[in-house]
Amino acid sequence: EAGVAQSPRYKIIEKRQSVAFWCNPISGHATLYWYQQILGQGPKLLIQFQNNGVVDDSQLPKDRFSAERLKGVDSTLKIQPAKLEDSAVYLCASSFDYEQYFGPGTRLTVT
Amino acid sequence: AQSVTQPDIHITVSEGASLELRCNYSYGATPYLFWYVQSPGQGLQLLLKYFSGDTLVQGIKGFEAEFKRSQSSFNLRKPSVHWSDAAEYFCAVAFIYNQGGKLIFGQGTELSVKP
Repeated sequence: EAGVAQSPRYKIIEKRQSVAFWCNPISGHATLYWYQQILGQGPKLLIQFQNNGVVDDSQLPKDRFSAERLKGVDSTLKIQPAKLEDSAVYLCASSFDYEQYFGPGTRLTVT
Repeated sequence: AQSVTQPDIHITVSEGASLELRCNYSYGATPYLFWYVQSPGQGLQLLLKYFSGDTLVQGIKGFEAEFKRSQSSFNLRKPSVHWSDAAEYFCAVAFIYNQGGKLIFGQGTELSVKP
């Protein structure tokens, strides 16, 4: 079966610009997650969707980050405006039960 | 609060030697525990998981882990390391609610393999 797809794989932007990441989960997986992984750290959950509803966004910096999951399938994570500290790998994962499957991630560099 | 600690940031072992990566967790209920591996530029791949039952869990690529409730540990082991095992390893605990779980990760252990 196809895995979790993410695009783009790499993105370089200047601070105060905006950027968007896209994720297509594994078919049939109702739950979708976005994680932020800063260099040298483990991934940190930003937001969790169950179908197209938000389950947990307690660690999402809502003043600059937004996410949506239209029709309960694909999802988009946006940052506007970006800060230097947003440089990280953004991982998308999906699950059917308690086992999460991860995409390859998008490496964001903010200069 | 739930947390995961991986005490070793970087470990170097010789090819063919045995490996043990340490993981300690803090969680009020029975934990769901995972080990993931991440190669450079790649996403996370699940090595093994513990939900219940036998405390010695077998995973892919010859890895195993043992859940020890009394020590709040879930250490990862491999009897003979291969050069291709060089990667970053993450231990995680799942905080279960609704349908699914919120994974809390340790900071990772980077494994280097000497020829």
